[in-house]
Amino acid sequence: EAGVAQSPRYKIIEKRQSVAFWCNPISGHATLYWYQQILGQGPKLLIQFQNNGVVDDSQLPKDRFSAERLKGVDSTLKIQPAKLEDSAVYLCASSLGPGQENYEQYFGPGTRLTVT
Amino acid sequence: DAKTTQPNSMESNEEEPVHLPCNHSTISGTDYIHWYRQLPSQGPEYVIHGLTSNVNNRMASLAIAEDRKSSTLILHRATLRDAAVYYCILRGYGSRLTFGEGTQLTVNP
Repeated sequence: EAGVAQSPRYKIIEKRQSVAFWCNPISGHATLYWYQQILGQGPKLLIQFQNNGVVDDSQLPKDRFSAERLKGVDSTLKIQPAKLEDSAVYLCASSLGPGQENYEQYFGPGTRLTVT
Repeated sequence: DAKTTQPNSMESNEEEPVHLPCNHSTISGTDYIHWYRQLPSQGPEYVIHGLTSNVNNRMASLAIAEDRKSSTLILHRATLRDAAVYYCILRGYGSRLTFGEGTQLTVNP
């Protein structure tokens, strides 16, 4: 079974530039998550999709971050404009169900973003 | 979200059992206890979860205290590949996974 795919794996940009990350979840997984992981910390949920609808985006900095999941499969996360503090690993995860307590999340390898 | 407390780091020797503790004194009756681990330069990986009873799977065992205020993840024979950050997470119905800083496990050859 193919895992969660993410691209690119690494990205270096200057502050105030824009960047986009792509995620392809495991086939058949209805729920998709984007996390931000700053060095030395655990991942923090940015946004959760159920099919192509947003379930939870309470921790997404909406003035600069946006995400979409067209057709309920692939997803993109965009940052515009980037700030130095956005330097982090951006993780995508997917699960079978809509965030119920016993549904395992499968994580991709992440995209490491460096903002200079 | 109810919080968990884990030691920052632990060490073990290869092929010995490892007991990773987690305290969650404010756990509610509907909170599941989840464990994930994160190997270097990888995304987190599900390990095990439980509600009240002890659980076993191919990766580990989860021992849950009778009052559910603490739990222990047990790796029966540590290998070098088990060196990772282990996260203990409480998750209620419909709530998000909230990761803390976890326990950095070092496995010595």
